Amino acid sequence: AQKVTQAQTEISVVEKEDVTLDCVYETRDTTYYLFWYKQPPSGELVFLIRRNSFDEQNEISGRYSWNFQKSTSSFNFTITASQVVDSAVYFCALSDPLLYGGATNKLIFGTGTLLAVQP
Amino acid sequence: DVKVTQSSRYLVKRTGEKVFLECVQDMDHENMFWYRQDPGLGLRLIYFSYDVKMKEKGDIPEGYSVSREKKERFSLILESASTNQTSMYLCASSFGLAGVLVHEQFFGPGTRLTVL
Repeated sequence: AQKVTQAQTEISVVEKEDVTLDCVYETRDTTYYLFWYKQPPSGELVFLIRRNSFDEQNEISGRYSWNFQKSTSSFNFTITASQVVDSAVYFCALSDPLLYGGATNKLIFGTGTLLAVQP
Repeated sequence: DVKVTQSSRYLVKRTGEKVFLECVQDMDHENMFWYRQDPGLGLRLIYFSYDVKMKEKGDIPEGYSVSREKKERFSLILESASTNQTSMYLCASSFGLAGVLVHEQFFGPGTRLTVL
């Protein structure tokens, strides 16, 4: 079954701390994509990263980094030196082909992790 | 920048009313989606469309229908609103070129619907 698990419901840190958000997935597919989205209090989901199953290189973008490990089916997200503006709900998602050919995929979302960064 | 807009941020309706939620995207995306978001459940797919006039059921289509008469517009219809349809509704769109990598979905700001 296709599934995404974000075991951390809420995390609270103090500004400048590093924080890692965990994501574990299950999939029957050999080719798949993983995503992270940020949902600030305004409500709109903001795309952060897409990673395909053939690329296990870690990615860094400013204070954000992602660690993809197929061996443990995990795609963890680390924020270095957290800031108050990082406070949001973060969702991990897995692609699931809806139609033959895989051109149309739905996203299977985890339940999200609420990150609160205290000043 | 991709822009996905939704007709209302907040909506209050009465049980039994017919409700229309509108979504418009400006990036010529083939795919459009409707999700609902509930606490502890994440986002769940209601319906999607991969082309004009084409629609497919998602995971929780009961009580909903959709319409896509133009490529840029995707409407969600609650035929007879019920209290268990109180939720946040999110529209999304993405490219859908066959044989191409899976594209990210871009989301609208959401409509918080309350059914009394």
